[in-house]
Amino acid sequence: AQTVTQSQPEMSVQEAETVTLSCTYDTSENNYYLFWYKQPPSRQMILVIRQEAYKQQNATENRFSVNFQKAAKSFSLKISDSQLGDTAMYFCAFMKQGGDDMRFGAGTRLTVKP
Amino acid sequence: DTGVSQDPRHKITKRGQNVTFRCDPISEHNRLYWYRQTLGQGPEFLTYFQNEAQLEKSRLLSDRFSAERPKGSFSTLEIQRTEQGDSAMYLCASSKDGGSTDTQYFGPGTRLTVL
Repeated sequence: AQTVTQSQPEMSVQEAETVTLSCTYDTSENNYYLFWYKQPPSRQMILVIRQEAYKQQNATENRFSVNFQKAAKSFSLKISDSQLGDTAMYFCAFMKQGGDDMRFGAGTRLTVKP
Repeated sequence: DTGVSQDPRHKITKRGQNVTFRCDPISEHNRLYWYRQTLGQGPEFLTYFQNEAQLEKSRLLSDRFSAERPKGSFSTLEIQRTEQGDSAMYLCASSKDGGSTDTQYFGPGTRLTVL
């Protein structure tokens, strides 16, 4: 069974600085996808970034980038130039190729301070 | 283009009552998923449909829970004889089979409170 671990329950960062959220996972699959979702307070979950396991190049989306280490089964999210609107719960998620159930970590609560 | 919608957004019920939630996926998405999220935790998978076929069910989905997607469009999740432990946010997501990485897009959720 696949498991996803986020070891940082809470983090904070000053506005305009950079923060990295950690995620590790366990799987015997070779083909899979990894995701970071953001869930602002009382708002719906939105996709931040995704990574295909077969791609060696790390995914980037504007201020968001990942460090995907397949051998280490690590998938961290880096947020550059943090903004107040980045304050949210961040969930790391795993899905094996074929698109059935997605496994989520317990989340990291990120607070961006002015 | 509208995203995934869920109705109602909030539901308060008494223990023992039945409740039903509805999810409308993104129109061209043929896959639909239900998750449950308790406070401070990540979502947990309940079940998923490809078109009208229910292809997988989690062991979390007890016999009091039933989900349907009769025409392959919207879906309903019914909980019979609700218990206080059913209090949670129920999330629906949809994706397109064969689409880019099968990315799931989430609705706003239905928050259930069982008194």
